Amino acid sequence: NAGVTQTPKFRVLKTGQSMTLLCAQDMNHEYMYWYRQDPGMGLRLIHYSVGEGTTAKGEVPDGYNVSRLKKQNFLLGLESAAPSQTSVYFCASSYDRPITDTQYFGPGTRLTVL
Amino acid sequence: DAKTTQPNSMESNEEEPVHLPCNHSTISGTDYIHWYRQLPSQGPEYVIHGLTSNVNNRMASLAIAEDRKSSTLILHRATLRDAAVYYCILRNYGGSQGNLIFGKGTKLSVKP
Repeated sequence: NAGVTQTPKFRVLKTGQSMTLLCAQDMNHEYMYWYRQDPGMGLRLIHYSVGEGTTAKGEVPDGYNVSRLKKQNFLLGLESAAPSQTSVYFCASSYDRPITDTQYFGPGTRLTVL
Repeated sequence: DAKTTQPNSMESNEEEPVHLPCNHSTISGTDYIHWYRQLPSQGPEYVIHGLTSNVNNRMASLAIAEDRKSSTLILHRATLRDAAVYYCILRNYGGSQGNLIFGKGTKLSVKP
């Protein structure tokens, strides 16, 4: 069981470039999430999905888009990267709502936008 | 979701018990108390959660005050690997968004 994996681990972009971050989980989880973490801060939710084909906005969705075409994958896209999007991005998944269920996190993607 | 308050940092000696406090004075009757921790350069990992009764698992114990306005995460024998940021999070059963709201947490340092 690989758990939650994220691709790539590191990336440097120039302002205005686009990219897609890939999150994959092999635990057959229904729920998947994208968070960002800025230095010295806790995690903030960007977007989430409660099942294949569904997405919803989180706390800080502006500048990002997501897609969940397959149950095991959750993609995070940046259409026109800005320096304010420099951050560490974490993907997570859970079988059920995390009210009582455990969220499993990936190792993170460190993104720098110049 | 109700707010939690944790100390910014704590220190412990290796192989000694650690008590990490969390205040949540505005907790509602249906709020679950979750603890996650984040080791350096890693994603958060689940530690424990509870509602009213004290809880034990292989990683830690969670002691919940009788009035539920505070809780304490107990690491019975701290190891160097337990050095991490520990987050205390409340989740309401009726919440629709499904996410965990992370504050700044408590940075635990463990001395050999």
